[in-house]
Amino acid sequence: GENVEQHPSTLSVQEGDSAVIKCTYSDSASNYFPWYKQELGKRPQLIIDIRSNVGEKKDQRIAVTLNKTAKHFSLHITETQPEDSAVYFCAASQNFWNNNDMRFGAGTRLTVKP
Amino acid sequence: DADVTQTPRNRITKTGKRIMLECSQTKGHDRMYWYRQDPGLGLRLIYYSFDVKDINKGEISDGYSVSRQAQAKFSLSLESAIPNQTALYFCATSNPTGGANVLTFGAGSRLTVL
Repeated sequence: GENVEQHPSTLSVQEGDSAVIKCTYSDSASNYFPWYKQELGKRPQLIIDIRSNVGEKKDQRIAVTLNKTAKHFSLHITETQPEDSAVYFCAASQNFWNNNDMRFGAGTRLTVKP
Repeated sequence: DADVTQTPRNRITKTGKRIMLECSQTKGHDRMYWYRQDPGLGLRLIYYSFDVKDINKGEISDGYSVSRQAQAKFSLSLESAIPNQTALYFCATSNPTGGANVLTFGAGSRLTVL
């Protein structure tokens, strides 16, 4: 089955700096890669996702890049703000329509220092 | 607002006790899921259901059972709780229409087994 590894496990940046979180996956059949953000004490929420037919997707200050050949994808946050502090989870699944085979990374705790 | 509601939010119990965690949703989604979150392990799927009476095992179903008696309700049971089932449990729903199949999580149920 799919195995998703996520690095780093913790990341601390100064406000205004960029943050990058990287994930690798094992199943070459995976083609849907969402990112979830979980603020302290809150529920995870989708912030951005990418399908394998594109290499990059952007939404304001966040972007995700995908390298299918190398089987890795990354989350990029620019101009970080204190409210970006949270745990971020990457995930991978074979089929956009089925969450049942989705596997999550272990999470990255991002701290943005003011 | 349409939402996913979990009860109880916190529960402390003893080894060997039967525990039920309940999830109800007003989003009208057919698909429901139970996840377990442990520090350093991310989110792992326990069971999922695509419709009433439809039950499917996830990644880590041993020691758990579920019931889907109505579209809006999906309950998770631990027949005989053990300490390594101490975790944060999330219910989630999804609806793969309109080009999105986003997981909508409940607020979580923190279970401690002594």
